[in-house]
Amino acid sequence: VQIVQSGAGVNKPGAPVKISCKTSGYTFTSYSIHWVRQAPGQGLEWMGWINPGNGNTKYLQRLQGRVAFSTDTSASTAYMQLSSLRPEDTATYFCMTSAPGGWDYWGQGALVTVSS
Amino acid sequence: DIQLTQSPSFLSASAGDRITISCRASQSISIYLSWYRQKSGKAPELLIYAAATLKSGVPSRFSGRGSGTDFTLTISGLQPEDVATYYCQQSYDIPYAFGQGTNLEIK
Repeated sequence: VQIVQSGAGVNKPGAPVKISCKTSGYTFTSYSIHWVRQAPGQGLEWMGWINPGNGNTKYLQRLQGRVAFSTDTSASTAYMQLSSLRPEDTATYFCMTSAPGGWDYWGQGALVTVSS
Repeated sequence: DIQLTQSPSFLSASAGDRITISCRASQSISIYLSWYRQKSGKAPELLIYAAATLKSGVPSRFSGRGSGTDFTLTISGLQPEDVATYYCQQSYDIPYAFGQGTNLEIK
């Protein structure tokens, strides 16, 4: 199993950012993808998940309306778009997948910096 | 939302020591608790799931206990490579919150 993320970079306040999470080595539609972010020097914050099998999503309530998860099942890739960026959105964004029994894989993370 | 409170926030111990990190949930979460280790600049790694089950390949010096609201992670025989921040996470109810982390230093 491999998960490779892309989309790191510097973004202006108010702009959107889209992070991709390309997976391989397992059946993409079988397990949910979770998104977790970590501000510099801070702890982990669970942002929500998407079920690639049916497209169902759950979002952290305080991000609702600004965050959107999506998938491209043909490319085994998940996406996280965060709009109306604020300086406090500066963080490393991780995607991960897991299943009961300790099956747990993370991407390497994508650092998003919000700065003018 | 369920809150997880870890203690201590910072821990300094010597190689070979036995240490314990606590994680308390604001309401019962049965055994829906995992422990992660995050080394500097890396993604978190799963150590323990279902409160007490060691993930395959994780050294046996790591152990977890608890159910309901009180959980512990114990490392018996600290190794230099255990320098990291440790997080608990509940998967009982959305949002799947993490504890605030315990920063472990080896003296």
